[in-house]
Amino acid sequence: KAGVTQTPRYLIKTRGQQVTLSCSPISGHRSVSWYQQTPGQGLQFLFEYFSETQRNKGNFPGRFSGRQFSNSRSEMNVSTLELGDSALYLCASSLGQGIGEAFFGQGTRLTVV
Amino acid sequence: GESVGLHLPTLSVQEGDNSIINCAYSNSASDYFIWYKQESGKGPQFIIDIRSNMDKRQGQRVTVLLNKTVKHLSLQIAATQPGDSAVYFCAENFNAGGTSYGKLTFGQGTILTVHP
Repeated sequence: KAGVTQTPRYLIKTRGQQVTLSCSPISGHRSVSWYQQTPGQGLQFLFEYFSETQRNKGNFPGRFSGRQFSNSRSEMNVSTLELGDSALYLCASSLGQGIGEAFFGQGTRLTVV
Repeated sequence: GESVGLHLPTLSVQEGDNSIINCAYSNSASDYFIWYKQESGKGPQFIIDIRSNMDKRQGQRVTVLLNKTVKHLSLQIAATQPGDSAVYFCAENFNAGGTSYGKLTFGQGTILTVHP
């Protein structure tokens, strides 16, 4: 069974640009959550999607957005990039019905210069 | 302003020893807990989980203990191996009424170093 796949693995962008990251969940999983990991703040929840609907959102500015497609694949977008957006962005997939195991991808390392 | 990095607790053990990693969680209403292992350059790897109606759960070489009275979680690793060296995170979820779907709140992490 394939795991959670995130693309690309690495990105370098310039301040002010926008970026789109992709996450393919484990087959059969309908929930995708996104997290930002930085040395200063640790792992912080961005948002969660289930069946193409955002069910939950963390405390991030509106520059951070996401969506989910009918095949459960998810994308997150960050517009008007700032230096502080440099981080490891992780997605986790789960069945999404009630509590249960959440499995993470390898992450996308975003560097904003 | 200048960001301050998290100062992660560290635990150093000898190969073959048992390791205990502790975590204090924040929400007394949390009903699900997970331990993750994160190696350098990789995403968090699921180790073991426990629901709030349990006190203890055992896996292969790992045991998780939950003390709801003091909001404390621990991960015990038996016969620790060099390959266990990583950062270990506890995570909690509170999902009563569906208000926190998909949201795990993570602890700061503990760096485990296993010496051969």
